[in-house]
Amino acid sequence: TQLLEQSPQFLSIQEGENLTVYCNSSSVFSSLQWYRQEPGEGPVLLVTVVTGGEVKKLKRLTFQFGDARKDSSLHITAAQPGDTGLYLCAGGTQGGSEKLVFGKGTKLTVNP
Amino acid sequence: DTGVSQDPRHKITKRGQNVTFRCDPISEHNRLYWYRQTLGQGPEFLTYFQNEAQLEKSRLLSDRFSAERPKGSFSTLEIQRTEQGDSAMYLCASSPTRGYTFGSGTRLTVV
Repeated sequence: TQLLEQSPQFLSIQEGENLTVYCNSSSVFSSLQWYRQEPGEGPVLLVTVVTGGEVKKLKRLTFQFGDARKDSSLHITAAQPGDTGLYLCAGGTQGGSEKLVFGKGTKLTVNP
Repeated sequence: DTGVSQDPRHKITKRGQNVTFRCDPISEHNRLYWYRQTLGQGPEFLTYFQNEAQLEKSRLLSDRFSAERPKGSFSTLEIQRTEQGDSAMYLCASSPTRGYTFGSGTRLTVV
């Protein structure tokens, strides 16, 4: 069974601070996707990374896929209250369906 | 295009009743997925359609669960003889290849 361990589970920081969320597995994934989810809503795709070592930037968010395609990180620079939410990493399984294995999520709170 | 629509948003049912949820995907997406999410957990895969063909089902999908996607358009997920353990958010997503667009989900509460 493929598992994704996400850490930390909860993170509460002040506006302007930097943070990093980690997503680790012993399994290789065909892709790694990051989503953000608000309470009572479905997850919203932030980024997809597919190549080992790939780095993608989305404004103040930087996403990295590990060289061996088993782990990923999300770094947020100068966090803002609007960044508050549940961040989920998800690994794409090989075999054609691209079904996703999700981590449990990191609940981020950015205090003004 | 208004994204992925799910109906209803909320459903409260008594244990033992049958329920059916509907998902309308983005029209040009041929892949459709159902996931289930319980409190404090990430979504868990239930089943996958490519066009009208159901190509993969999770072991989580007991024989009380059935999903269809007639003509490769909308999809339905039916749960028969609901149990309290079925209480969860049921999420539908569609995708062209990689990267999903999720609907807002159907929150099921079994009392």
